[in-house]
Amino acid sequence: DSGVTQTPKHLITATGQRVTLRCSPRSGDLSVYWYQQSLDQGLQFLIQYYNGEERAKGNILERFSAQQFPDLHSELNLSSLELGDSALYFCASSFSGTGGNYGYTFGSGTRLTVV
Amino acid sequence: AQKVTQAQTEISVVEKEDVTLDCVYETRDTTYYLFWYKQPPSGELVFLIRRNSFDEQNEISGRYSWNFQKSTSSFNFTITASQVVDSAVYFCALSDSNYQLIWGAGTKLIIKP
Repeated sequence: DSGVTQTPKHLITATGQRVTLRCSPRSGDLSVYWYQQSLDQGLQFLIQYYNGEERAKGNILERFSAQQFPDLHSELNLSSLELGDSALYFCASSFSGTGGNYGYTFGSGTRLTVV
Repeated sequence: AQKVTQAQTEISVVEKEDVTLDCVYETRDTTYYLFWYKQPPSGELVFLIRRNSFDEQNEISGRYSWNFQKSTSSFNFTITASQVVDSAVYFCALSDSNYQLIWGAGTKLIIKP
């Protein structure tokens, strides 16, 4: 157990629907990162939050949004889902907002299947 | 721009052979971090090593070793006496002043019994 909890582990939904992925960071970590792993794009950074504030954005679609709550858990909202959104979504946490120097701890991922 | 290249898409070896996974990176920053992760068929990302740009010392951990060469912007990973359990996809990644991880495409390692 890495200490980063992602729920649900698996999610199957239909096109056009909206889903919410949840991530609880490791105790003491202030920063949360979301990554998408798809067959055609590989692993890509989506968005980072640090202590409740958005810190950086990557290749995140406008249909996707995220937030980090006061208890530091984070949610990634995916709406108007398309078949191409099927992927493994990872959450990682880090103590600081500058993750490299403290490293990253990854959750086990949420596998999203859009049918 | 930052970039990580893992030119080997797939490597297949017989158990007990040594195997080296290549990683070449690009960054303009002088301070950066390099990582290797293992992704077994179960899907989770398993952390293997982190190296900062100021530490070029090679590292050995059991059957695993890493060779970091700033002169060639490479951070290669060698598994000695490979085992079937080493079969997985291995990712090299870079974290620099943008803080998030930039990933290579991964190398699928198949160890045959």
